[in-house]
Amino acid sequence: SQKIEQNSEALNIQEGKTATLTCNYTNYSPAYLQWYRQDPGRGPVFLLLIRENEKEKRKERLKVTFDTTLKQSLFHITASQPADSATYLCALVVNSGNTPLVFGKGTRLSVIA
Amino acid sequence: DTAVSQTPKYLVTQMGNDKSIKCEQNLGHDTMYWYKQDSKKFLKIMFSYNNKELIINETVPNRFSPKSPDKAHLNLHINSLELGDSAVYFCASSQITRGETQYFGPGTRLLVL
Repeated sequence: SQKIEQNSEALNIQEGKTATLTCNYTNYSPAYLQWYRQDPGRGPVFLLLIRENEKEKRKERLKVTFDTTLKQSLFHITASQPADSATYLCALVVNSGNTPLVFGKGTRLSVIA
Repeated sequence: DTAVSQTPKYLVTQMGNDKSIKCEQNLGHDTMYWYKQDSKKFLKIMFSYNNKELIINETVPNRFSPKSPDKAHLNLHINSLELGDSAVYFCASSQITRGETQYFGPGTRLLVL
């Protein structure tokens, strides 16, 4: 069966450290992978998109990697700050079918001062 | 100048009632979506419209009926509400159907008593 799994429901990290979140998928052939941030009581906000032929993407303190062999994406936040505390969702755009985005359940990140 | 707006933000109603949620986007996008986020925070697509035409209709009870009067609006009408319909409903839009960044509204929190 098709699955998207984000490594843990919750991740606590000390301020200043690098947070690493994992997104694994099975039985999908994604063309793209996206990462979104969701704050409590709000809708998801787009952060980064990475294509299947790209290994890495960066935006300020954010870095995303995409390994289609391992079927995994890693999302890194360097020099993490308490303001980075939120739920982070990965989403796949698959090569077949009409469904535009398939979301993982998210990882709730807490950055402790 | 909110990009994607939804009304109402909160909706508390009795089982068996009929209710509507409205969504509007001012981004000039061609595609709009409805998502349901349940108590476990899993975000799942329900419907997608492109230029007022239904293109995705996931396995959703036919008590749910989307209506798109124009490409800037996508409303969701729910008949005979059930307890299991309690969730947060998000509207989103994107420029094209697949692979594109999606912009989400703030969500409508529906509670069926």
